[in-house]
Amino acid sequence: NAGVTQTPKFQVLKTGQSMTLQCAQDMNHEYMSWYRQDPGMGLRLIHYSVGAGITDQGEVPNGYNVSRSTTEDFPLRLLSAAPSQTSVYFCASTRGLAGGKGSYNEQFFGPGTRLTVL
Amino acid sequence: DAKTTQPPSMDCAEGRAANLPCNHSTISGNEYVYWYRQIHSQGPQYIIHGLKNNETNEMASLIITEDRKSSTLILPHATLRDTAVYYCIVRAPQRTGNQFYFGTGTSLTVIP
Repeated sequence: NAGVTQTPKFQVLKTGQSMTLQCAQDMNHEYMSWYRQDPGMGLRLIHYSVGAGITDQGEVPNGYNVSRSTTEDFPLRLLSAAPSQTSVYFCASTRGLAGGKGSYNEQFFGPGTRLTVL
Repeated sequence: DAKTTQPPSMDCAEGRAANLPCNHSTISGNEYVYWYRQIHSQGPQYIIHGLKNNETNEMASLIITEDRKSSTLILPHATLRDTAVYYCIVRAPQRTGNQFYFGTGTSLTVIP
């Protein structure tokens, strides 16, 4: 299994440009999430999905859109990039409810996408 | 979900046990304690979790106080590769979503 993959690894955008960060997992996990991490900070949840066709907002959703048309893919779209969106973006997946015993609790993270908006 | 408090940084000598504390005084009865770590800007990695009882796996041990208001992650024989930021998270199982709210964690430096 490749686990959670993210593309691209690095991206530089100009203010106002749009782009999509790709995330894919091959573990047949129901739950997927997007986080951003600013320098010296912890991770903050942007959007998450509990299954194909179902998404919801996290802590910091403004400026981002998501969709989940398949179990495997969970792309994150920046509609009009702003310098405040300069960050490292992590995608994660979990098999099931994040509580209780067993591997249902473990979030698997991708390697991250480092985005700079000029 | 309950808020957690962790020291911003700690040092530990290589080969010694690293004890990382976490305060979660407002934890409620159905909330679990999770620990993740992040090694130098890689994606975070799950370590261990627990509800009431102490837990141990191949990576670490988790000690939760009887009143559940605090916990300690123990790395029994720290190595240089354990240098990382360690996050303590408390959350309840939810029917929808798998949100984990990360704070700023504890930056552990293992010293040769």
